[in-house]
Amino acid sequence: DQQVKQNSPSLSVQEGRISILNCDYTNSMFDYFLWYKKYPAEGPTFLISISSIKDKNEDGRFTVFLNKSAKHLSLHIVPSQPGDSAVYFCAAIVAGGGADGLTFGKGTHLIIQP
Amino acid sequence: ETGVTQTPRHLVMGMTNKKSLKCEQHLGHNAMYWYKQSAKKPLELMFVYSLEERVENNSVPSRFSPECPNSSHLFLHLHTLQPEDSALYLCASSRGITNEKLFFGSGTQLSVL
Repeated sequence: DQQVKQNSPSLSVQEGRISILNCDYTNSMFDYFLWYKKYPAEGPTFLISISSIKDKNEDGRFTVFLNKSAKHLSLHIVPSQPGDSAVYFCAAIVAGGGADGLTFGKGTHLIIQP
Repeated sequence: ETGVTQTPRHLVMGMTNKKSLKCEQHLGHNAMYWYKQSAKKPLELMFVYSLEERVENNSVPSRFSPECPNSSHLFLHLHTLQPEDSALYLCASSRGITNEKLFFGSGTQLSVL
């Protein structure tokens, strides 16, 4: 049973607009969440994270929102740029569990249209 | 070199072959990991090493055998694999076992014929 779900396998957004990638989780013990970005033929790279004590974390064009009651988080990219085209993975963990406990979603392939 | 380096990038092997995947990290990290990524599936953790000692083995078949000779190097020895083992194998490292930020290599795309 998947504990971290990314229900959209792909998303197409026009350049300059906002990209919103969604992630749902079922384990209420998760309290730290991460987003990774993956280009073809490369490994995933860390993008942004959020702790459950916050509901928002911002880093430049990237903002992650956490809704604990809904067990939902989202990644907003604004404005979207062609270089943002990649697969985005959501991951979750119980704090103190260590990286061995990271649970990943299946990923969403974001395509930025010129 | 910096980061996490994996070799080879691509590997094709028959079911009776024996091969090894190599990973090297130049980040001074103490924890290293093997992940498997199959098509349309989440990343699956296979093995975790902390300070060269294995701390996690997620019920991986014995045809996959990891080796961690030191904190900078990690190997995955493969023997008598099955076609369903074809996948992208990713190595990762982190500062410590409790640090959630993983740094990944580019992966080895494995095809088992």
